[in-house]
Amino acid sequence: QVQLVQSGAEVKKPGASVKVSCKASGYTFTSYYMHWVRQAPGQGLEWMGIINPSGGSTSYAQKFQGRVTMTRDTSTSTVYMELSSLRSEDTAVYYCARGDVVTYGMDVWGQGTTVTVSS
Amino acid sequence: QAVVTQEPSLTVSPGGTVTLTCGSSTGAVTSGHYPYWFQQKPGQAPRTLIYDTSNKHSWTPARFSGSLLGGKAALTLSGAQPEDEAEYYCLLSYSGASTFGGGTKLTVL
Repeated sequence: QVQLVQSGAEVKKPGASVKVSCKASGYTFTSYYMHWVRQAPGQGLEWMGIINPSGGSTSYAQKFQGRVTMTRDTSTSTVYMELSSLRSEDTAVYYCARGDVVTYGMDVWGQGTTVTVSS
Repeated sequence: QAVVTQEPSLTVSPGGTVTLTCGSSTGAVTSGHYPYWFQQKPGQAPRTLIYDTSNKHSWTPARFSGSLLGGKAALTLSGAQPEDEAEYYCLLSYSGASTFGGGTKLTVL
């Protein structure tokens, strides 16, 4: 079955960077996009960006441009999301979610990774 | 960047019908925005209910349906069950960039 398994919780200090991984299984890794979405405590879902695992091309939400980098490793069917210059407002649960190549939206979601930014 | 709007909260009686809507600040929502609908319960990851306006996944209960209604995307729940109490989010695509609505908290009471 299709599964996305994310890395474990992280605690970071302001100004640091965090890199979250998402390992895919149960389907052809390069046949679907991968989104990253975050959710701050008590808030709604926020789209961060998308990566095409086939060629590695990316598109980021304007809010995160210059601070986020999405990469992939096709040999391990894993995508990564790195967010730099962390501030307290980046405290959130970060999700990866598989995306359709035609309609772009998500079908299967990872379990989420909690990132806490605190001094 | 476009703003996607949803009702902040709605209430439906058990067995009743309710429609949630999803609007765009850029104008009418069309099939070209590929509307999606997600359900999220506390402490859980979101679950995709509807994709590409009206298509259901194998896990989507039959009582949920999606459509375009009056220039918005719509999610209709017919025959609400207590387990449908949750937050519902829509997603619209704008030339490859995606934007979520603010979410609708649905209470079944």
